[in-house]
Amino acid sequence: KNEVEQSPQNLTAQEGEFITINCSYSVGISALHWLQQHPGGGIVSLFMLSSGKKKHGRLIATINIQEKHSSLHITASHPRDSAVYICAVTRLRGSQGNLIFGKGTKLSVKP
Amino acid sequence: KAGVTQTPRYLIKTRGQQVTLSCSPISGHRSVSWYQQTPGQGLQFLFEYFSETQRNKGNFPGRFSGRQFSNSRSEMNVSTLELGDSALYLCASSLRDALNEQFFGPGTRLTVL
Repeated sequence: KNEVEQSPQNLTAQEGEFITINCSYSVGISALHWLQQHPGGGIVSLFMLSSGKKKHGRLIATINIQEKHSSLHITASHPRDSAVYICAVTRLRGSQGNLIFGKGTKLSVKP
Repeated sequence: KAGVTQTPRYLIKTRGQQVTLSCSPISGHRSVSWYQQTPGQGLQFLFEYFSETQRNKGNFPGRFSGRQFSNSRSEMNVSTLELGDSALYLCASSLRDALNEQFFGPGTRLTVL
């Protein structure tokens, strides 16, 4: 079983819909990261959080440390949001700089 | 502020050859991490350097190695290339470690024939 699981693997939405991507992890963590990867490969860090909730524009990320679960929400989705969204965690103990990644969620937003 | 740069962006090699990839971090960032991305395995951690020292290493064979210079620029080397080494190699820099936000480079697409 992967230490970081994401769901769904693929998601198709209509423009304007509210989107939720889920991430569950099984290890103790210091931080959780949400990343966005567009076709072509470039990765952008969207959020890094260790508790609570963060918001940036139409994106909201939440984390529940007790339940080892995080969600990424996109409000009023737009075709330019189409990308792969990747959840990654930094282990609580052990080596710094060691990110463990989920397999990613491929989002396609149709106009 | 200039972002993370990686060179070359694309590379084609044949089995048995070796390759060196370069990563220049954001100015002031001292931690550089390397990752491999393949369709089958997704993103996997290769190693992390901080102040010219390898601080952590993922589960990759010894053919994969790296180093960091005094200006924080980093290189990774893969010797005796195998077909399975074909991947997107990404580096990311941060101020100190993965508890800081990581900034990714555009990646180097390596194809092994």
